[in-house]
Amino acid sequence: EAEVAQSPRYKITEKSQAVAFWCDPISGHATLYWYRQILGQGPELLVQFQDESVVDDSQLPKDRFSAERLKGVDSTLKIQPAELGDSAMYLCASSPQGPGPYEQYFGPGTRLTVT
Amino acid sequence: GENVEQHPSTLSVQEGDSAVIKCTYSDSASNYFPWYKQELGKGPQLIIDIRSNVGEKKDQRIAVTLNKTAKHFSLHITETQPEDSAVYFCAATRFINDMRFGAGTRLTVKP
Repeated sequence: EAEVAQSPRYKITEKSQAVAFWCDPISGHATLYWYRQILGQGPELLVQFQDESVVDDSQLPKDRFSAERLKGVDSTLKIQPAELGDSAMYLCASSPQGPGPYEQYFGPGTRLTVT
Repeated sequence: GENVEQHPSTLSVQEGDSAVIKCTYSDSASNYFPWYKQELGKGPQLIIDIRSNVGEKKDQRIAVTLNKTAKHFSLHITETQPEDSAVYFCAATRFINDMRFGAGTRLTVKP
């Protein structure tokens, strides 16, 4: 069964350092999402890509966060500099292309701890 | 934007009993309502979904109902088992797939 891949699974970084997360969506899925999930809460959308284009990044803190999906396949989410409040689970999801809405399939996530 | 409220935040049942989790949404344009199960340290897993042109959907022990007029939908799990213990999230979205999640319900099934 196809799955969304994410790495690393866990990351510990110091405040003010840079950190990056990688996501490989299910093959053929044109839409890719990055979510942030704070402990005890539901996921919150950070950015949505359709192929290589950003569809929605209205909730992405652009002063420190950036996301790219250069070839329309895998994607990288970067935080620079990291702050204590960035500690959370970062989830990637993908869904098929076409008139939505479609099911979103999530990866295992990257647990970030900022010290 | 869409606002999804989920209740209860925690739910404890005896094995074999039924569990019901309820969600309300605010945007009448929302037309797709998935439910996700999240186990500790893992990503959310889609367990069932319903679209706005359907009132009820069932898959073995799991069912979802939707009341568009009242803007609420519910997850029903019958004959609960210990492996059903997890956090469950409801979500609502419109055609552009801008999914909004509830805060989650921690379900504990006691053997």
